[in-house]
Amino acid sequence: GIQVEQSPPDLILQEGANSTLRCNFSDSVNNLQWFHQNPWGQLINLFYIPSGTKQNGRLSATTVATERYSLLYISSSQTTDSGVYFCAGGNNNNDMRFGAGTRLTVKP
Amino acid sequence: GAGVSQSPSNKVTEKGKDVELRCDPISGHTALYWYRQRLGQGLEFLIYFQGNSAPDKSGLPSDRFSAERTGESVSTLTIQRTQQEDSAVYLCASSLRGYEQFFGPGTRLTVL
Repeated sequence: GIQVEQSPPDLILQEGANSTLRCNFSDSVNNLQWFHQNPWGQLINLFYIPSGTKQNGRLSATTVATERYSLLYISSSQTTDSGVYFCAGGNNNNDMRFGAGTRLTVKP
Repeated sequence: GAGVSQSPSNKVTEKGKDVELRCDPISGHTALYWYRQRLGQGLEFLIYFQGNSAPDKSGLPSDRFSAERTGESVSTLTIQRTQQEDSAVYLCASSLRGYEQFFGPGTRLTVL
């Protein structure tokens, strides 16, 4: 199956800083999502982005399908952005695989 | 309902007992997924249902694990003869024809 690698595994930021999280795939994908897992364990959908660029407030994501990677940008980070960010991708409806996540800590 | 719901939210059981976890998907979603998340780790795919097709069971870790789904509604994940290594959060997700997934709050299983 598809292997998903996320980097960095851990990230500590000062409030107000910007950051970029990366997700690499071992094979091409046509189904890709970014999630934020909050401290209570709930997975929040951020982006469904098999290709192209999307923006939602301070967050944006870009997927370059031909090069098998996706980036998540967080601008002007806030303490509430803390948590674990996961990407997941796959080629078939049943083949979504998750990365190990990036644990983000935003300090006030 | 408005979102994916799971029950119970927490389950504590003794080693060797059977447990049953429930997932109610978003109404109209044809696809349903079960994942396991051990403490501090990523999500591990367990099983996938799509409509009336045969489920993809390739992620089930052992024959102690099984899952059922009736049509496009509720699904139950059953773990027989639980072991301490089964302790984890079990997450359910649903999607419309296998695209964007939406997750429930999970069931935290503790096996003593």
